[in-house]
Amino acid sequence: QLQLQESGPGLVKPSETLSLTCTVSGGSISSSNYYWGWLRQPPGKGLEWIANVYYSGSTYFNPSLKSRVTISVDTSQSQFSLKLSSVTAADTAVYYCSGQLYVSGNLPYYFDYWGQGTLVTVSS
Amino acid sequence: DIVMTQSPDSLAVSLGERATINCKSSRTVLYTSDNKNYLAWYQQKPGQPPKLLIYWASTRRSGVPDRFSGSGSGTDFTLTISSLQAEDVAIYYCQQYYDSPWTFGQGTKVEIK
Repeated sequence: QLQLQESGPGLVKPSETLSLTCTVSGGSISSSNYYWGWLRQPPGKGLEWIANVYYSGSTYFNPSLKSRVTISVDTSQSQFSLKLSSVTAADTAVYYCSGQLYVSGNLPYYFDYWGQGTLVTVSS
Repeated sequence: DIVMTQSPDSLAVSLGERATINCKSSRTVLYTSDNKNYLAWYQQKPGQPPKLLIYWASTRRSGVPDRFSGSGSGTDFTLTISSLQAEDVAIYYCQQYYDSPWTFGQGTKVEIK
């Protein structure tokens, strides 16, 4: 059973860069069966997919955030990371990491596994 | 982007009664090549991450009680809880994985009447 755990600062200043890491356990981050992704949920609001990355480094981005997002994977540490630059109060949210089921030759499918989430507040 | 619209935004149902949630996509999520609907349902309880309930529009994930069922095809989908239990109080989301960016409905809050 895959387990994912987010880590990173809970408070980021406006205009700075938000950085989060997700550690994968209970399975291999180099599995061919998953894309590893980030989603977020502003307080009291719905879910927004941000980006995902395959163990090989292949990526997908939400066009609405692409210009500010960097996503990377470190298979040696079983971790993948998110950086979101130039943050504003609108980026305040619970950030979730996830494992998105993947079958070669197709787009990734549904979000099969989720971390517990970490609240990131953007405030000076 | 494919826009997912759920209805209603909230509903209150008596224990043991049926709850029905609708989800409509702005364009089809049915792939004719494999005749599958690329639609999933999630349950989110307060303070918890979403939990996958159903995928391919009607396939229950292992361990999900059979009172949860999904139906529909193309652009119109339904999640049904056949006999509402107290532990089913949550927000339910539909999500399409037909195309990137992957998008969710706005959520439907289910409460006990």
